Amino acid sequence: DAGITQSPRHKVTETGTPVTLRCHQTENHRYMYWYRQDPGHGLRLIHYSYGVKDTDKGEVSDGYSVSRSKTEDFLLTLESATSSQTSVYFCATSGVGNTEAFFGQGTRLTVV
Amino acid sequence: QKEVEQDPGPLSVPEGAIVSLNCTYSNSAFQYFMWYRQYSRKGPELLMYTYSSGNKEDGRFTAQVDKSSKYISLFIRDSQPSDSATYLCAFYAGGTSYGKLTFGQGTILTVHP
Repeated sequence: DAGITQSPRHKVTETGTPVTLRCHQTENHRYMYWYRQDPGHGLRLIHYSYGVKDTDKGEVSDGYSVSRSKTEDFLLTLESATSSQTSVYFCATSGVGNTEAFFGQGTRLTVV
Repeated sequence: QKEVEQDPGPLSVPEGAIVSLNCTYSNSAFQYFMWYRQYSRKGPELLMYTYSSGNKEDGRFTAQVDKSSKYISLFIRDSQPSDSATYLCAFYAGGTSYGKLTFGQGTILTVHP
């Protein structure tokens, strides 16, 4: 298995609270991504990183921010969680020139 | 119009059946065509990928791409209960896309013994 670890694996939080999800990789991949998965929508890209401190928005970035201070770590922050952000979040990595993306196990987030 | 359309199913078949999963896409920039398999409560894993139009076989799995019709398919022969999973088509434009993938909605497949 690719060395991608997401934490926490499960979280329940209240509306309006900040939440940070962490992705840690041991693959030394340059590219990292955060996706959310919801029924009927498949996987949708939230934000991605193409290098340390280099990030950009994806398809569904509103309400989310990211940071990448090291190659290994990519953080996703929900500044003020809303019920619409209840979802399963997946981190993924990819090497330069590779078409394959490797996924973590996912974080199940519930906002109540 | 969505960039990618995939029938979400669910699809339920008996063991040994031939399964056909399909996606259509609208973005002509897509150059790589992939199928990911996702077991329950797990992350997706790459099953197959192709670059050109035509067929590619890997054991019981065949990926088919028709660029002219913007249509891709995954066929599973002699389906097994272990094939029960969600199958996601995925597309990559290449170039300066930084590896970003566009996914279909996923098709839930159940193979009954």
